[in-house]
Amino acid sequence: GAGVSQSPSNKVTEKGKDVELRCDPISGHTALYWYRQSLGQGLEFLIYFQGNSAPDKSGLPSDRFSAERTGGSVSTLTIQRTQQEDSAVYLCASSLAGPGTGSGKLFFGSGTQLSVL
Amino acid sequence: GENVEQHPSTLSVQEGDSAVIKCTYSDSASNYFPWYKQELGKGPQLIIDIRSNVGEKKDQRIAVTLNKTAKHFSLHITETQPEDSAVYFCAASRKAAGNKLTFGGGTRVLVKP
Repeated sequence: GAGVSQSPSNKVTEKGKDVELRCDPISGHTALYWYRQSLGQGLEFLIYFQGNSAPDKSGLPSDRFSAERTGGSVSTLTIQRTQQEDSAVYLCASSLAGPGTGSGKLFFGSGTQLSVL
Repeated sequence: GENVEQHPSTLSVQEGDSAVIKCTYSDSASNYFPWYKQELGKGPQLIIDIRSNVGEKKDQRIAVTLNKTAKHFSLHITETQPEDSAVYFCAASRKAAGNKLTFGGGTRVLVKP
C-alpha cells in the first residue's frame, strides 16, 4: 500500500505481559516517529528515527518502552510488563525529510489500539 | 521544551457557519506550524501548514494565520460542512529539533446539519 501501515489494529493484553507493535512506513521515507494518544488527549511524542542516526528517545515514558527500526524501514515498538496506564492508541508516522529540513509533513498510520486489562 | 495549548477543546457549529480554533506555543524558535484532522478510527492527516516567514495561508475553505510576536496561530474553516466534523490538532516544531512535532490537545468539531 501507499500509506503507513500498522499492525495489529487492536491489541488486548493482560497486565504484566509484553507487547510488540509494528509499523511499516511509506517506502523511501527516511524518518519514522512513534506517538501515543490517550483517550480524548493529544499526541504524545515517544521516539524518532532518522536514517542511520541514533534515535531520539526523549519521549519514552519509562525503560519498559523500547523501539527498533531495522534496515531503515520497519519499526517495532515494544512495551514490557504492560500496565493499565499504557492503554492508548499508538500511532506511527513517517516523513520524507529529516533533521534540519523542518518540513514536518508527517504521514500517520491508523494506529494500534492497546488495551491492558 | 515546546508547549502547545489549544482552545476550545470542543466546538459545535451550524452547517455553513465558520469555525475558529486557536493555539499558542511557548518556544520562540519554533518555525513550522501544521494542522492535522483526525477522523474516527483513523490517524491524523495534514490539512494545512504554515511557516514562520508567512503570516497567513489559505486553501479553499481553510485558512491559517500566524502571529509570531504573540506566539499564537489559528485555523479558520469557512462554510462548514458535516464532513468537517472531526478532531483537529495544531502542532509546532523547529528545525533544530528535526520534524519532531509537539501537538496541542485537540479540538473536537461537530458540524450540525
